[in-house]
Amino acid sequence: GQQLNQSPQSMFIQEGEDVSMNCTSSSIFNTWLWYKQEPGEGPVLLIALYKAGELTSNGRLTAQFGITRKDSFLNISASIPSDVGIYFCAGQVRKTSYDKVIFGPGTSLSVIP
Amino acid sequence: GAGVSQSPSNKVTEKGKDVELRCDPISGHTALYWYRQSLGQGLEFLIYFQGNSAPDKSGLPSDRFSAERTGGSVSTLTIQRTQQEDSAVYLCASSPTGWGYTFGSGTRLTVV
Repeated sequence: GQQLNQSPQSMFIQEGEDVSMNCTSSSIFNTWLWYKQEPGEGPVLLIALYKAGELTSNGRLTAQFGITRKDSFLNISASIPSDVGIYFCAGQVRKTSYDKVIFGPGTSLSVIP
Repeated sequence: GAGVSQSPSNKVTEKGKDVELRCDPISGHTALYWYRQSLGQGLEFLIYFQGNSAPDKSGLPSDRFSAERTGGSVSTLTIQRTQQEDSAVYLCASSPTGWGYTFGSGTRLTVV
């Protein structure tokens, strides 16, 4: 079935550093989504990408929808302690009556003050 | 309500017992999803409800798992004869159209 791979699996960075994480798949998706999950909470949508090649920013976050439609990356600039969490990419495929979302395994981010 | 509400937030049960997990979606959201998240893992799709259409049950891992959605609103996920491998966080999400989910905080199920 369709699967997403995320790298790195985990990251430990100093506060103020930039972060980059990737998501790849062997399948093509219509939409790429990036979510953040904090402990004890459900994932929260950060950025949605709808078109191949699209580059979208949300504050210090920037994400791109790969040209091949099989990958996406998320960058976080000037990291702060509250960026800590697990970042999930998700690809959306169109089924007959709805858009099914497939989630990657996540990248765990730790920020050292 | 303002968000997706799940109850209980934590559930500890003995192996072999049945459990019911509840999800109250955002009012007016027609689509409702259940996902399972095992420790340190990603989100595993379980089941999807959209309006009055037949649910997509393709992600349910075994026939011990079932879900209902009454009146197009509240949903209950039932796990019969629980096993230790069922221990996970069960997340519910709803959306107005079938994408753009809002997740609840989940139910942490521990089977001992």
